[in-house]
Order: sequence, then C-alpha cells, then structure tokens
Amino acid sequence: GAGVSQSPSNKVTEKGKDVELRCDPISGHTALYWYRQRLGQGLEFLIYFQGNSAPDKSGLPSDRFSAERTGESVSTLTIQRTQQEDSAVYLCASSLVVYGPGNTIYFGEGSWLTVV
Amino acid sequence: GQQLNQSPQSMFIQEGEDVSMNCTSSSIFNTWLWYKQEPGEGPVLLIALYKAGELTSNGRLTAQFGITRKDSFLNISASIPSDVGIYFCAGQLRMDSSYKLIFGSGTRLLVRP
Repeated sequence: GAGVSQSPSNKVTEKGKDVELRCDPISGHTALYWYRQRLGQGLEFLIYFQGNSAPDKSGLPSDRFSAERTGESVSTLTIQRTQQEDSAVYLCASSLVVYGPGNTIYFGEGSWLTVV
Repeated sequence: GQQLNQSPQSMFIQEGEDVSMNCTSSSIFNTWLWYKQEPGEGPVLLIALYKAGELTSNGRLTAQFGITRKDSFLNISASIPSDVGIYFCAGQLRMDSSYKLIFGSGTRLLVRP
C-alpha cells in the first residue's frame, strides 16, 4: 500500500484479555518496527524485524508481549493478559532497509489501546 | 544504555520567529532523523541525515548531523501556526548484529499567531 497501515485504530479491552494489533508495512520494505507511546511521552522501542526475523527483541516489556512477521509483510503484536499500564498508542513503522540510505522509517497512525 | 537528550522540552513562540532544537548523546550515531507528530497521528519524517557534517534543508526546515556524530539540530525559520506539534529526533546506531533506532523525548512547539 501507499503507507503503513495499522489496525485496529482504536481498541478498548478489559484487563486480563489478550489483544492483537496488526501492521501492514509499505510494500517492499524489509524492515518493520514496533514502538509504544504513552500519553504525552516519547517513543519507546519494542522490537524490529529484518525480513521475518527479529534481531532485537530487547524492548519488549515483558513475556506478555510477543510479535511475529510472516511473508516479509504483515506483522502482529500480541499482548496477553493485558494490564492497565499497557494502555498506550502502539506505532508500527517500516523502512526499505535497516541500515544506510533507505533506512528512513515511515510510521503508521498507530493503534490506540485502552485497558479498562 | 543509549540515550538521547532532546531540548528544549517545549517552546511557546510568536509566529514569524525562528526555532532551534537539538539532540545530544554520549553515543555515536550513524543516522539522524527528525520527525513531527501532530495529535492523533503517527510521526511524520521531516529530514534524514546520513553523514557527519551533513546539512540538509526541507523548505523552512534545516537540520545538521554533528561532526562528532553525537548530536544534531533542527531549525525552523519564520514559524507559522501549522508548525505546532511535537518534534522528535531519532538516532540510529549499530549494536552487535542489530541496529537500534532511539528517539528523543520530543520538543513540544506552540506558535502564537
């Protein structure tokens, strides 16, 4: 597609439920990133994919968080047993390559998650 | 760990004034990126810098990749009300076999008409 597409754009869930957030990167982009942004805060790195592999998972806050990417395209971020502190905007981004010219990262509009 | 110090945290200026913000770090970066985020939107790329010393302009925006590779600045000339938003710097560095992109905490810009 023309840009990074995320769904759902808004999600309200009950504490303890699992949620899945989807990201469709720009077509042909090999790198895909997930960031979390709490209200009024900066961007917190979660994980990135090079192709379908995740070289750096260091940002995942806990084992309740997982992500996968298939077909070097769509990625899913899953949060199990959601807690109120998981409430945030989850931003997905993609870039043509990970390093060097072409590594400029383009963001989607985010998935707003509210845990009640 | 790696950290970017972005300043100022916020600015409230008069329309027409010039604006300057910067990011510094103790780490050396390979790439510097500047983004703008408006309420309810994802960050939008403004300028990308790939070489130490590089100075790049995009309309009224100018950004530079510091010679030491540890800092970058963004200038906005003749500000207008639609410049309002949060500006983030981001630096990329290589760590072992992976690349990490770290964001600054943002500069919130308000422009008084």
